[in-house]
Amino acid sequence: DAKTTQPTSMDCAEGRAANLPCNHSTISGNEYVYWYRQIHSQGPQYIIHGLKNNETNEMASLIITEDRKSSTLILPHATLRDTAVYYCIVRALGFQKLVFGTGTRLLVSP
Amino acid sequence: NAGVMQNPRHLVRRRGQEARLRCSPMKGHSHVYWYRQLPEEGLKFMVYLQKENIIDESGMPKERFSAEFPKEGPSILRIQQVVRGDSAAYFCASSPRGESTDTQYFGPGTRLTVL
Repeated sequence: DAKTTQPTSMDCAEGRAANLPCNHSTISGNEYVYWYRQIHSQGPQYIIHGLKNNETNEMASLIITEDRKSSTLILPHATLRDTAVYYCIVRALGFQKLVFGTGTRLLVSP
Repeated sequence: NAGVMQNPRHLVRRRGQEARLRCSPMKGHSHVYWYRQLPEEGLKFMVYLQKENIIDESGMPKERFSAEFPKEGPSILRIQQVVRGDSAAYFCASSPRGESTDTQYFGPGTRLTVL
């Protein structure tokens, strides 16, 4: 079973920041938070991951709370092409497989 | 710098036939993972392989499904005597070392339809 809880769906206006929350209250100290997204019918696309510190790359930023029980994925300027299902995954060190939950369906509108 | 490649992209089989799905990992990657996505459901892990070894097959159905990753060539997911319930999208992912901090990169998937 997935160890994360995400809202089922969210809306965002094009050009605005999309903030996608994820709750992982039972996360352990050696578990990473990964984010993937799946644009309709395509393979999942890696976005970002982190352990404790906030992370940023060319796609997004990941903000992890100090107690690590929740995190937020930020798409700073959402475009229509960011419409997708976003998956937050907690992955333990030594644990190979990814356990996908139901994710958040983000709809970016003009 | 080609990504993970899967073929065929679409596969149609009749009940009772065999389905073979192929996955070529990214260059330099020697670890392959297979996931299945049933219609309107999330992705489920099936099997994790290194070259010539099955490391974790905890998500594989007990019958009719098998996977291999030979020393040369792509990884193959084989489904014997397909049934309608096998209709799904099958995704392959690869990683360089198989360490749990490795990022898995996914292919475009094979959509299997069983008539």
